[in-house]
Amino acid sequence: NAGVTQTPKFRVLKTGQSMTLLCAQDMNHEYMYWYRQDPGMGLRLIHYSVGEGTTAKGEVPDGYNVSRLKKQNFLLGLESAAPSQTSVYFCASSYEGHGGTKNIQYFGAGTRLSVL
Amino acid sequence: ELKVEQNPLFLSMQEGKNYTIYCNYSTTSDRLYWYRQDPGKSLESLFVLLSNGAVKQEGRLMASLDTKARLSTLHITAAVHDLSATYFCAVDSGGSNYKLTFGKGTLLTVNP
Repeated sequence: NAGVTQTPKFRVLKTGQSMTLLCAQDMNHEYMYWYRQDPGMGLRLIHYSVGEGTTAKGEVPDGYNVSRLKKQNFLLGLESAAPSQTSVYFCASSYEGHGGTKNIQYFGAGTRLSVL
Repeated sequence: ELKVEQNPLFLSMQEGKNYTIYCNYSTTSDRLYWYRQDPGKSLESLFVLLSNGAVKQEGRLMASLDTKARLSTLHITAAVHDLSATYFCAVDSGGSNYKLTFGKGTLLTVNP
């Protein structure tokens, strides 16, 4: 059981280039999330999805787009990368659950992105 | 807007000592989570606290929730080096989208 898988694990971009980060989960979770982690800032929510075909903005959505065409996949796109988008990106998924498992978010291993 | 504050942000302890990490949040919520992150790794769920007065314990870690004070604590008993990591609390903002707002994290270093 792979859980949440992110690809790629590392990427270096030049300013203005575009790329897509892929998140795949095999737990049949309804909810999926994209975060960025920067030193001293904790995790900040970029976009999220509460089900196939739905997406919504989080705390820091500017410069990013997302799509969830299939329940198991959540894509994060950078159309024109900027140095300010240098960060570690984490994808997570969750389900409503009950009791002690209620909405535990399960995280992928992360993608380390550098924009030069 | 929900704000989550952790303190301290940095904690250096000696093995065998006890200490507490605090997590304060700004709006009503009855769902709070603690996560652990090892350097260069992903986040791992530690505890889920779902009601006022909830207490969860695993090994040398114990978490509690006081929803009236909007405060959760993570207590470390007789620290060991293996507990060195960054600990995050996260609060559910409510509603049906299950968004979490994370604190900035507490970097814990346990020295031999």
